[in-house]
Amino acid sequence: ETGVTQSPTHLIKTRGQQVTLRCSSQSGHNTVSWYQQALGQGPQFIFQYYREEENGRGNFPPRFSGLQFPNYSSELNVNALELDDSALYLCASSLASRGAEGDTQYFGPGTRLTVL
Amino acid sequence: DQQVKQNSPSLSVQEGRISILNCDYTNSMFDYFLWYKKYPAEGPTFLISISSIKDKNEDGRFTVFLNKSAKHLSLHIVPSQPGDSAVYFCASRGTSGTYKYIFGTGTRLKVLA
Repeated sequence: ETGVTQSPTHLIKTRGQQVTLRCSSQSGHNTVSWYQQALGQGPQFIFQYYREEENGRGNFPPRFSGLQFPNYSSELNVNALELDDSALYLCASSLASRGAEGDTQYFGPGTRLTVL
Repeated sequence: DQQVKQNSPSLSVQEGRISILNCDYTNSMFDYFLWYKKYPAEGPTFLISISSIKDKNEDGRFTVFLNKSAKHLSLHIVPSQPGDSAVYFCASRGTSGTYKYIFGTGTRLKVLA
């Protein structure tokens, strides 16, 4: 039991709309990362938040944005949805901010987003 | 440009035998590697990791081997059990110091009873 939860489980949107995905991290975990996993691919790093500040970003456009709150919850927002945004979105929480050896991330079950 | 590659999309092994999952990487600056296991409808679960200063790390039935000169790592599961059936991802930590892990595309392992 990792203690990381995500909502909703599934979501269907149309192209051009905006979406907000939510994650609740394990208590005490100050770092949350978001990943996009397209069908048949491995997870791709979107960005990381540490103590409510973004401190690392992958190759995703600015329409992907996030928020982290003091109560260990966080959001991933995607504006102007495109068909290629259809994927499983995973959040992962961790204690450390720098991926220290011996520390790892705990993933939630993901939100499956379908863009029509 | 796929920096972490898992060239075998699937693998079937008899229960009790050894499962060997392979992973190649291209960036010689990568210094920390991990294996994750993923069951359907669940997030990836950390399995085992290895630092680039080592060539082997063992945890129960799971052993990871790292060959830096070949930029290759492998995960050995001995003995394989039906409950090991899952998708296995290898990942590398980039040198940025964040959790910007770079994942391979995964290998689906099926352990036959």
